[in-house]
Amino acid sequence: DGGITQSPKYLFRKEGQNVTLSCEQNLNHDAMYWYRQDPGQGLRLIYYSQIVNDFQKGDIAEGYSVSREKKESFPLTVTSAQKNPTAFYLCASRDGDLPQHFGDGTRLSIL
Amino acid sequence: KQEVTQIPAALSVPEGENLVLNCSFTDSAIYNLQWFRQDPGKGLTSLLLIQSSQREQTSGRLNASLDKSSGRSTLYIAASQPGDSATYLCAALNDYKLSFGAGTTVTVRA
Repeated sequence: DGGITQSPKYLFRKEGQNVTLSCEQNLNHDAMYWYRQDPGQGLRLIYYSQIVNDFQKGDIAEGYSVSREKKESFPLTVTSAQKNPTAFYLCASRDGDLPQHFGDGTRLSIL
Repeated sequence: KQEVTQIPAALSVPEGENLVLNCSFTDSAIYNLQWFRQDPGKGLTSLLLIQSSQREQTSGRLNASLDKSSGRSTLYIAASQPGDSATYLCAALNDYKLSFGAGTTVTVRA
């Protein structure tokens, strides 16, 4: 059953700590995306990758980093430089101009 | 920069009523327009995708129209049911990037 798996579902970050959110897809899609969703707002693009070993900044990349070493995986690191990390994070993938597929999200909170 | 707006932000209707959800976008040079459904605490589920060359798409009780020249799309849900209660988001695709509206939260009262 093809899809996108995000883990963990809930994550807590301490002050000064970096945390990594996992995103894995078995859809064989080239393009992958990370979005942040805050209450009452639309999704905002953090980073995207159109091919392995290549990625670009989205609209709100500051305080975040990514890697794309494998086609299936696109992890997102929320660094200590991100001062307001509390949000719902969504990973997505896409094939051409077909509909984007989304994972079930990770909710990040501050301890 | 593409700006996507959805009005109203929230909508409450009695069961059986037809729903009309509006989406507007500022840059008409889109590849497609997508409608998604989001349940609380969950990811997004794709409902309909309209290519830029199309005027509408239908799936069951759902129908979405697209007017690129005026920068508008409308999602119609016929004979609403309590199970239709969710947040509905539209998104416009330009090049690599989907730009999202903030969504319309729908409540269907039994």
